[in-house]
Amino acid sequence: AQKVTQAQTEISVVEKEDVTLDCVYETRDTTYYLFWYKQPPSGELVFLIRRNSFDEQNEISGRYSWNFQKSTSSFNFTITASQVVDSAVYFCALSEGIQGAQKLVFGQGTRLTINP
Amino acid sequence: DAGVIQSPRHEVTEMGQEVTLRCKPISGHDYLFWYRQTMMRGLELLIYFNNNVPIDDSGMPEDRFSAKMPNASFSTLKIQPSEPRDSAVYFCASSLLAGIQETQYFGPGTRLLVL
Repeated sequence: AQKVTQAQTEISVVEKEDVTLDCVYETRDTTYYLFWYKQPPSGELVFLIRRNSFDEQNEISGRYSWNFQKSTSSFNFTITASQVVDSAVYFCALSEGIQGAQKLVFGQGTRLTINP
Repeated sequence: DAGVIQSPRHEVTEMGQEVTLRCKPISGHDYLFWYRQTMMRGLELLIYFNNNVPIDDSGMPEDRFSAKMPNASFSTLKIQPSEPRDSAVYFCASSLLAGIQETQYFGPGTRLLVL
């Protein structure tokens, strides 16, 4: 069965620090997709990134970067020079299968607090 | 472009009452999903539709819950009768085309409190 583990329940850092959110997943499929979503205090879920199992290239988008390592089944998310607006709950999610079923399995989330 | 629209944003009701949550997916998306978020269970998928047809409702907690999608631009999630343990945030999401690679875009959620 597929599973996503975000071992860090809460992280608190001071503004401008770098912070890494960990995500470890379990799946028996060779084809799968990984996602990160952000849930700010306002409550909506905002899509950040999607990565497929065949593409292990790291991705950078501004202050955000993602490190995908199949060898350790991890898909970690780093925020560089954090800002107060980055404060949110961040969810890692996994979907698997060839076609049809689009079930997303979410981790429990990491609550990130950036202090000024 | 408008995102996924949900209404109401907040709902407070008394135990035993019927609750109806509404969702309008992103235009052109052919998959629609209903999720529930609670502190205890996190985010869990309740049901999803493809081209208005329910595909998998294995996450629906019990018969008190029902969902419909009468057309491509509207879906409802109904709880009858409601119970305090149904208190949660209910999200609707939609995606385009088939396959696991498509990104699901979420609505703002409906925060339900059953007293």
